[in-house]
Amino acid sequence: AQTVTQSQPEMSVQEAETVTLSCTYDTSESNYYLFWYKQPPSRQMILVIRQEAYKQQNATENRFSVNFQKAAKSFSLKISDSQLGDTAMYFCAFRASYQGAQKLVFGQGTRLTINP
Amino acid sequence: EAGVAQSPRYKIIEKRQSVAFWCNPISGHATLYWYQQILGQGPKLLIQFQNNGVVDDSQLPKDRFSAERLKGVDSTLKIQPAKLEDSAVYLCASSFLRTSGKNKTQYFGPGTRLLVL
Repeated sequence: AQTVTQSQPEMSVQEAETVTLSCTYDTSESNYYLFWYKQPPSRQMILVIRQEAYKQQNATENRFSVNFQKAAKSFSLKISDSQLGDTAMYFCAFRASYQGAQKLVFGQGTRLTINP
Repeated sequence: EAGVAQSPRYKIIEKRQSVAFWCNPISGHATLYWYQQILGQGPKLLIQFQNNGVVDDSQLPKDRFSAERLKGVDSTLKIQPAKLEDSAVYLCASSFLRTSGKNKTQYFGPGTRLLVL
């Protein structure tokens, strides 16, 4: 079974700073997908960024980028030039890629607060 | 493009009562998921439908939870009878069918917050 661990329950930074959220996972699969989802107080889960395990290049979406270390089973999220609107819970999630495997396995989440 | 719709947004019931949640996925998404998110935890899959068939319900407490997806579009999740530990947010998500070649990303609805007293 796959597991996802987020070791930082809470983080807080000042606006415009850079922050990195950590995620580690455990799997015996060689092909899979990793995701970071953002969940603001409204509770709508929003996809931030996605990484396919067979791609060596780290994914980037505007101010959001990941550091994917497959051998270490590590998948951290970096938020550059943080904004007040980035305040939310952030969840790391894993999905296997074999046939029929579509469910997401989530970590416990990191509560990120951006202070003005 | 309209997102995943869920109703109600909030529900308060007493233990042993029954409750039902409704979900309407994004148009064209054949796969629908129900997740349970207990306060302070990440979401956990309860059940996954592909069209109107069940793909995975291994973590659904079948003695009290049931779900259906008639006609392969809308879905209803029911709890009967509810227990205190069922207090959680119930999230519905949808995605394209795995073999469609399209983006498999799951898109989530706003969730239904259930409080069992």
